Amino acid sequence: SQELEQSPQSLIVQEGKNLTINCTSSKTLYGLYWYKQKYGEGLIFLMMLQKGGEEKSHEKITAKLDEKKQQSSLHITASQPSHAGIYLCGADDLKLVFGQGTRLTINP
Amino acid sequence: GAGVSQSPSNKVTEKGKDVELRCDPISGHTALYWYRQSLGQGLEFLIYFQGNSAPDKSGLPSDRFSAERTGGSVSTLTIQRTQQEDSAVYLCASSSDRGAYNEQFFGPGTRLTVL
Repeated sequence: SQELEQSPQSLIVQEGKNLTINCTSSKTLYGLYWYKQKYGEGLIFLMMLQKGGEEKSHEKITAKLDEKKQQSSLHITASQPSHAGIYLCGADDLKLVFGQGTRLTINP
Repeated sequence: GAGVSQSPSNKVTEKGKDVELRCDPISGHTALYWYRQSLGQGLEFLIYFQGNSAPDKSGLPSDRFSAERTGGSVSTLTIQRTQQEDSAVYLCASSSDRGAYNEQFFGPGTRLTVL
């Protein structure tokens, strides 16, 4: 079965700094989701990537899927306190599987 | 419009008791999923319903866990004789169809604590 590994597991950055979270799959990805989780709000869908080399942006968040479709990165530019939370990548392999998450803390 | 809702938001129970967790999916969504997230771990798939098809129960960790979906809408996850290792956040999600390209919408989760 497919496994997703995220790195880093935890990240603390100064407000205004850029950061990158990675998600590596044990198998070719045919649909890769990025979610953000805040307690009490459920998971918030950020982006979905399907094609090798695809890149999508929403506000200050950019996600990419590599050409081989086995790795995705999530990049946040000029981080803000509102970006704090747990970021999860997910993939569909008969059932949805998730990475273990990256806990992001933004220091003012 | 209304999203996925879950109740209760928090549940504290004693070991050995039964609990029921409820999920109200987005109206019209045919697919419904249950997941759980234990402390320090990623999301774990539990069970999946799609329309009138037999549910995919492959993720249920033991026979103490069961779920049903009545009328193709509301779903209830039941845990019998709860154990401390059942403590986790239980998340429900729904989507308009099954598949890699159909976004799943998640509820806020139910935090279950078994004492």
